Amino acid sequence: GENVEQHPSTLSVQEGDSAVIKCTYSDSASNYFPWYKQELGKRPQLIIDIRSNVGEKKDQRIAVTLNKTAKHFSLHITETQPEDSAVYFCAASLGSWGKLQFGAGTQVVVTP
Amino acid sequence: EAGVTQFPSHSVIEKGQTVTLRCDPISGHDNLYWYRRVMGKEIKFLLHFVKESKQDESGMPNNRFLAERTGGTYSTLKVQPAELEDSGVYFCASSQNRGDGYTFGSGTRLTVV
Repeated sequence: GENVEQHPSTLSVQEGDSAVIKCTYSDSASNYFPWYKQELGKRPQLIIDIRSNVGEKKDQRIAVTLNKTAKHFSLHITETQPEDSAVYFCAASLGSWGKLQFGAGTQVVVTP
Repeated sequence: EAGVTQFPSHSVIEKGQTVTLRCDPISGHDNLYWYRRVMGKEIKFLLHFVKESKQDESGMPNNRFLAERTGGTYSTLKVQPAELEDSGVYFCASSQNRGDGYTFGSGTRLTVV
């Protein structure tokens, strides 16, 4: 089955610096890769996603890159702010029915 | 538009008892998913409904877990009898079309003591 590995498990950055989270997946048939942000005590929220026919996608300070050959994808957050502090989960699709395999999460702490 | 609603938000039960979790998806969303996060690990798939039908229940841990979605609206997930290892946060999510990004509920934190 699909296996998604996410690194690092914790990431501490200074406000204004960039943060990068990396994920690898095992199933070459995966074609949808969303990223979720979960603030303390709140629900996971979709922040950006990418499909396998695209190599990069950007939304303001957030960008995701996908390397299908290497089977890895990354989340990049630029100019980090304290409100970016949260747990971030990557995920990869399993089959065509929308089931997702999640990574273990990355706790991001942005210090002022 | 109302989001995905789950209740209770927290539940503490004793081993051997029964607990029923409920999820109300976004109106019109045919796809409803249940996931669980145990002890800070990854969010793991439990099952997927399309309307009232179980499309995939390959993630259900064992037969102590029973999910239903009568009428294709809200869904319930019953754990009977509960065991200590069932503790975790149970998330429900919905989407209009398969392959769309999900909208998650806030989760039910289940503690079995």
